[in-house]
Order: sequence, then structure tokens, then C-alpha cells
Amino acid sequence: SAVISQKPSRDICQRGTSLTIQCQVDSQVTMMFWYRQQPGQSLTLIATANQGSEATYESGFVIDKFPISRPNLTFSTLTVSNMSPEDSSIYLCSVESGGGSYEQYFGPGTRLTVT
Amino acid sequence: GQQVMQIPQYQHVQEGEDFTTYCNSSTTLSNIQWYKQRPGGHPVFLIQLVKSGEVKKQKRLTFQFGEAKKNSSLHITATQTTDVGTYFCATNFGNEKLTFGTGTRLTIIP
Repeated sequence: SAVISQKPSRDICQRGTSLTIQCQVDSQVTMMFWYRQQPGQSLTLIATANQGSEATYESGFVIDKFPISRPNLTFSTLTVSNMSPEDSSIYLCSVESGGGSYEQYFGPGTRLTVT
Repeated sequence: GQQVMQIPQYQHVQEGEDFTTYCNSSTTLSNIQWYKQRPGGHPVFLIQLVKSGEVKKQKRLTFQFGEAKKNSSLHITATQTTDVGTYFCATNFGNEKLTFGTGTRLTIIP
């Protein structure tokens, strides 16, 4: 299984600012996924990030608000731009286990509070 | 979009009682996965089912995939305090993206 780290683990930010979340994997992976989990809710996929191409965003999420970088096969960043209190959430990155199985391994998450 | 519903949303059980959560889809699923998320933690993969009528066990946990591959269940026998958390089913609807169910939050009364 992959070991995934995220930074920061939590942050409190002022509205109107931006925060970049980093996700590091201990092995090379083709696809990385970014999710949002609002308090007490399920996980919602924001985008899929492939190395060497632009991220694919899900309905309701746009690149201007959530720009994603994927510079190599072990690293990705998600930026939450021009934040508002509605962006307060947990942001998680994940990777597939590979080998034809679709199970995913998740990072520990970044808990974001926007004031 | 395609959705996966889970019931119940919350379940409070006395320690030692059994617990079951159900996952339902209106469409036939190619697979179903189950994840557990402890309070303050991240989702952790438990198991994947792919065959119609498949049943898998992990100690006190029993996972079942319906014959029509539209529903699944997770049953925990004799719950313990370590079982506390939210249980999610998830499926990929034939592509690489996972769609998570709404989740069932389990609390245990000691």
C-alpha cells in the first residue's frame, strides 16, 4: 500500500486569501485524486490529476478556484483560491492501489477553516 | 449524477450488539468497495466485492454484494468500541473515479 503525506495538516485562513495543499506519495502513481469532505458529510471528488496533463475537474469545481499541479509521479498540489467560509472543509488526496484494482489510499487530510 | 445511497445515516448501538449498514444504487455496479473512517481520521479501504452474490468476511465483519449487483451490506457482529466511525461504500461506475456513498456513522454505547 502507498504511504501518503499531506501538508499542512490544518490551517486557519482569512477570507480572500489562498492556501496550497501538498500531497506526497512514497511511490510513483499515475493518477492522484483530490476530494473535499465537509463536516459530517461524505467525500466529494474535486478533480483527478494525471502527471503531464491538466487536471480533470468534476461538475461544480473549476480550475480558477482549485488550481492543481502535478509536476511528477509522486507529488501534487491543490490550491484553494480566494477563500470564503464555505470553503471550510477537509481536503484529502488519494491514489489508486494499481494493478487493476480501484481501491484507493488516502492521505491524512488537511483541515481548513476560513474565517 | 449517479449516486449511491446508504442507510441508516446514523446508528447508535450498545457494545456487543450487531450493526448493519446498507448501500443501494439504481444502476448495476461493476464493483463495490467499503471504507472506514475513524473520527478525525481519513478513509481506510476495507474490502472490494465484484461478483454477484459475493460474501466476504473479515473477523467480525461480513460484506455482501447483492445478486443484482445493485446493493451491498456490511454487517458487524458483536460491536466493540474500536468499531466506532463512519462506514462508506464506494463504487467507480465503470471508470477510474470513485463515487462514495452517503455514509453511516456508528457510535457505540459502552
